Amino acid sequence: DAGVIQSPRHEVTEMGQEVTLRCKPISGHNSLFWYRQTMMRGLELLIYFNNNVPIDDSGMPEDRFSAKMPNASFSTLKIQPSEPRDSAVYFCASSLRGNFYETQYFGPGTRLLVL
Amino acid sequence: AQKITQTQPGMFVQEKEAVTLDCTYDTSDPSYGLFWYKQPSSGEMIFLIYQGSYDQQNATEGRYSLNFQKARKSANLVISASQLGDSAMYFCAMREGSADTGNQFYFGTGTSLTVIP
Repeated sequence: DAGVIQSPRHEVTEMGQEVTLRCKPISGHNSLFWYRQTMMRGLELLIYFNNNVPIDDSGMPEDRFSAKMPNASFSTLKIQPSEPRDSAVYFCASSLRGNFYETQYFGPGTRLLVL
Repeated sequence: AQKITQTQPGMFVQEKEAVTLDCTYDTSDPSYGLFWYKQPSSGEMIFLIYQGSYDQQNATEGRYSLNFQKARKSANLVISASQLGDSAMYFCAMREGSADTGNQFYFGTGTSLTVIP
């Protein structure tokens, strides 16, 4: 079975450019999470969706960040305009909510470098 | 207050020895799940083991076991017979179970484990 799929795996861009990260959750999962990981701040939850509806976006750093989940099999995280401090690894994870043994499974991550 | 606390930034263990990575948690929810993830230098986050708050026995998965002490609110990961490939960062996480609390995971800051040949 396919796991969580993220694209691109690596992204190098210049300050001010728009960046779009993509995620395909595990088929049948109904919760999707976006995380950011840096050495300084560790693993941070940015936003999560249940049944395609955003539940908590309190971790989104600022208005430059936005996330959408138009359907159960696709989500995007957009940064516009990007800044060097956005450089990090961005993970997407999915889970099956309502399952007592609900476990999050992570994608391979997108390594973003903003110059 | 921190939901998950990992007090060991770094640990060393001799190959073939056992090692315990500490994790304490904080919740007032009677229903919760505890998780351990491994992050090798390649960067992916790998799910290792799960313990439910109502589980009577400690969870085990191969060489991994979870030492669950509910009264102490601790969920330590025990790795037996360490291998060089166990060198990685290890994260403890918790999910609270009630409908009011959502289903987000709370992660600790991680413990870096180095296995010495």
